[in-house]
Amino acid sequence: AQSVAQPEDQVNVAEGNPLTVKCTYSVSGNPYLFWYVQYPNRGLQFLLKYITGDNLVKGSYGFEAEFNKSQTSFHLKKPSALVSDSALYFCAVRGILTGGGNKLTFGTGTQLKVEL
Amino acid sequence: DGGITQSPKYLFRKEGQNVTLSCEQNLNHDAMYWYRQDPGQGLRLIYYSQIVNDFQKGDIAEGYSVSREKKESFPLTVTSAQKNPTAFYLCASSIRWGTENTGELFFGEGSRLTVL
Repeated sequence: AQSVAQPEDQVNVAEGNPLTVKCTYSVSGNPYLFWYVQYPNRGLQFLLKYITGDNLVKGSYGFEAEFNKSQTSFHLKKPSALVSDSALYFCAVRGILTGGGNKLTFGTGTQLKVEL
Repeated sequence: DGGITQSPKYLFRKEGQNVTLSCEQNLNHDAMYWYRQDPGQGLRLIYYSQIVNDFQKGDIAEGYSVSREKKESFPLTVTSAQKNPTAFYLCASSIRWGTENTGELFFGEGSRLTVL
């Protein structure tokens, strides 16, 4: 079965500094990896995904993620953090449901706090 | 605008009562999902449906029931058999699994259920 680990419950960073939110995964076959963001009492919003190709994936709001197959990691990054980036971030890996269909297995989430 | 609508956003229930959460989508997606979110536990799959009149149990289906009579609608009933129903419930949809489907889910804004 597939799984995702987000080792940090919270990441604190100063505005303007680069940020990294870590994610490692375990899955059989080629990984389909995702990052989602959640603001308080809201649904999840898609940020970016890795399917195949370039190991550096660019997504919404200036975020990017680096896929590393040998380390089974998919860390989320941003060169310069904004206070408005403060939110809960989820990493997810795609699995296949019985009878077909997608199942996204999510990590436990990392709370990002960007301070002035 | 296309999207997923969940209602109600907040719901209070007395112990022993059933409650139904609504999920409607106008994205013309075949597949729909219900996830439960608890603090520090990420998202866990309750039920999913790949097509009208068909649905399958996810990882934590006990105490829940669903129906899929229309493509646009996938209501979730939280029954009195659910031991710990207080949580944030998220509905999602995706295009039907296939070679062109990379697994991205689109989420509603969530429904917060509190059992008094």
